[in-house]
Amino acid sequence: KQEVTQIPAALSVPEGENLVLNCSFTDSAIYNLQWFRQDPGKGLTSLLLIQSSQREQTSGRLNASLDKSSGRSTLYIAASQPGDSATYLCAASNQAGTALIFGKGTTLSVSS
Amino acid sequence: NAGVTQTPKFQVLKTGQSMTLQCAQDMNHEYMSWYRQDPGMGLRLIHYSVGAGITDQGEVPNGYNVSRSTTEDFPLRLLSAAPSQTSVYFCASSWKGDETQYFGPGTRLLVL
Repeated sequence: KQEVTQIPAALSVPEGENLVLNCSFTDSAIYNLQWFRQDPGKGLTSLLLIQSSQREQTSGRLNASLDKSSGRSTLYIAASQPGDSATYLCAASNQAGTALIFGKGTTLSVSS
Repeated sequence: NAGVTQTPKFQVLKTGQSMTLQCAQDMNHEYMSWYRQDPGMGLRLIHYSVGAGITDQGEVPNGYNVSRSTTEDFPLRLLSAAPSQTSVYFCASSWKGDETQYFGPGTRLLVL
């Protein structure tokens, strides 16, 4: 059974800092891995999706990597801003169309 | 495109009542799924569908029923509400060629 863990549960950084959020999964036979952002009281917004054949994906200041052999994914946020404050969730899928197994998230606070 | 829409936004039920949470998407996505989000538990998969007429159970299906008669709609039925079903419910959809998940804004359910 796939299990997804995110450490740390919360993180506070000053504006401008580069930071890394960690995600680990127990079953390396994943189909894809996705990173989401959730603002308080809101739904989830997809940030990046990495297929199992890929090593990384980039979008603006965000870069996500995937290492299936070690069961790890990281989300790198460059030059953090107060607007980046949110909860970041990673989720793994083991088969096409079978939906996602989520970690419990990392709540990020960026102070100005 | 409206994306993924959910109704109602908020609902209060008494124990034993039944209700249907509505979910619709206008992106012609094959895959749809329902999650519940609880403090300390993260998002957990309730039911999912890979196409019209096809549904399957997720991690926490007990007390919930689904059907998928059209590509656009995927309603979630609570048969006899219990206080343990107090939660925030999210519907999501994705296209099988990409599988980036798009989430609705959520329905907050309180069962007294």
